Amino acid sequence: EIVLTQSPAILSLSPGERATLSCRASQSVINYLAWYQQKPGQAPRLLIYDASNRATGIPARFSGSGSGTDFTLTITSLEPEDFATYYCQQRSSWPPLFSFGPGTKLEIK
Amino acid sequence: EVQLLESGGGLVQPGGSLRLSCVASEITLRNYAMSWVRQAPGKGLEWVSGISISGVNTYYADSVKGRFTISRDNSKNTLYLQMNSLRAEDTAVYYCATLLMSYFDSWGQGTLVIVSS
Repeated sequence: EIVLTQSPAILSLSPGERATLSCRASQSVINYLAWYQQKPGQAPRLLIYDASNRATGIPARFSGSGSGTDFTLTITSLEPEDFATYYCQQRSSWPPLFSFGPGTKLEIK
Repeated sequence: EVQLLESGGGLVQPGGSLRLSCVASEITLRNYAMSWVRQAPGKGLEWVSGISISGVNTYYADSVKGRFTISRDNSKNTLYLQMNSLRAEDTAVYYCATLLMSYFDSWGQGTLVIVSS
């Protein structure tokens, strides 16, 4: 079973600042790594898939990088609507099983 | 815009059963593998189960294996999750989502399941 860890658990920043969120896998997930944003009372929204591809309609200030076991989600200049919880998610090769990281809460400083 | 609408949640006693449904609009479900993901109150996301486009192949998290059954009726554009032997720890919002190879693309708004006596 592949376990994902995310750091930090809570990130306090101001609008306009740069956010860097980390996700580490207990073993290689190649590039089968996705990032989601979730706001209270809402369903998760796909941001990044296959480590570095932005989903449809996602602003360019969101970017993903990494491969193997270490991945990063970067938000270059925070907008007020970006304050939310972010989850990473992986898929194992076979059988296709999935898991999520515990999340990083991005809060306004 | 893809719309997925879950239903069937509610209050059930421990040991009881529920069947969740997920109906799609604006898309044809038969073109997508699908999954269920849940979120306990105040907690993170947990993948529950997945099903192939044909419905032949199904996959489960260890926490629900043997108790939950995922299925689909492509003629009705509907995904199901039959949940038996429910436990308090199954209390969560259950989301259905389209599965594209390695990630979950479109999500429903969720249906709340509460397991309590």
